[in-house]
Amino acid sequence: DIVLTQSPATLSVTPGESVSLSCRASQGISTSIHWYQQKSNESPRLLIKFASQSISGIPSRFSGSGSGTDFTLSINRVESEDFSVYYCQQSYSLPRTFGAGTKLELK
Amino acid sequence: EVQLVESGGGLVQPGRSLKLSCLASGFTFSNYGMNWIRQAPGKGLEWVASISSSSSYIYYADTVKGRFTISRDNAKNTLYLQMTSLRSEDTALYYCARHSTMGITTPFDYWGQGVMVTVSS
Repeated sequence: DIVLTQSPATLSVTPGESVSLSCRASQGISTSIHWYQQKSNESPRLLIKFASQSISGIPSRFSGSGSGTDFTLSINRVESEDFSVYYCQQSYSLPRTFGAGTKLELK
Repeated sequence: EVQLVESGGGLVQPGRSLKLSCLASGFTFSNYGMNWIRQAPGKGLEWVASISSSSSYIYYADTVKGRFTISRDNAKNTLYLQMTSLRSEDTALYYCARHSTMGITTPFDYWGQGVMVTVSS
């Protein structure tokens, strides 16, 4: 199984800061990585697909990069509504796997 | 508007069975691959099973293989998850999620609100 390791587990920031969240795959997965946001008591929401492709309706401050084993979700100037948990997920092979998540919290 | 509405959850004893349903609307259900994904209380996301648009391809996580069965009825716009031999570790919020295309190598672009399954004596 492909293991996705997200870091850091928790990131404490103040609104207006720009942040980068990491997702590292246990083997090369090309660009078959997707990012989700899950706010408290809500369903996950797709933010970025295939490492860097934008999703309609998602604010432009969210962007993704990477290929192979190292991937990054960047948030340019964090807003208050962005404090939530972020998950990466791979669709390169079965079983589909998720990272353990990075919690973005208010500092 | 795409909507996925799960139902069928509840409290069940270990070893018993339960069947979840997910009613889809707002899109042509028969054109999309579908999934069940679960989240144990306070934990992360775990993919459970996938089914392609025509049910030709079906896959399961090892943790549920042989106990859970995913199926769909395209005429009824409904996805199912038959769960048998339930264990305490199956306790979770179960989400129905759509693949962004008819295949199953794409991300999950829409999710339901989830239905809770609690396995306890």
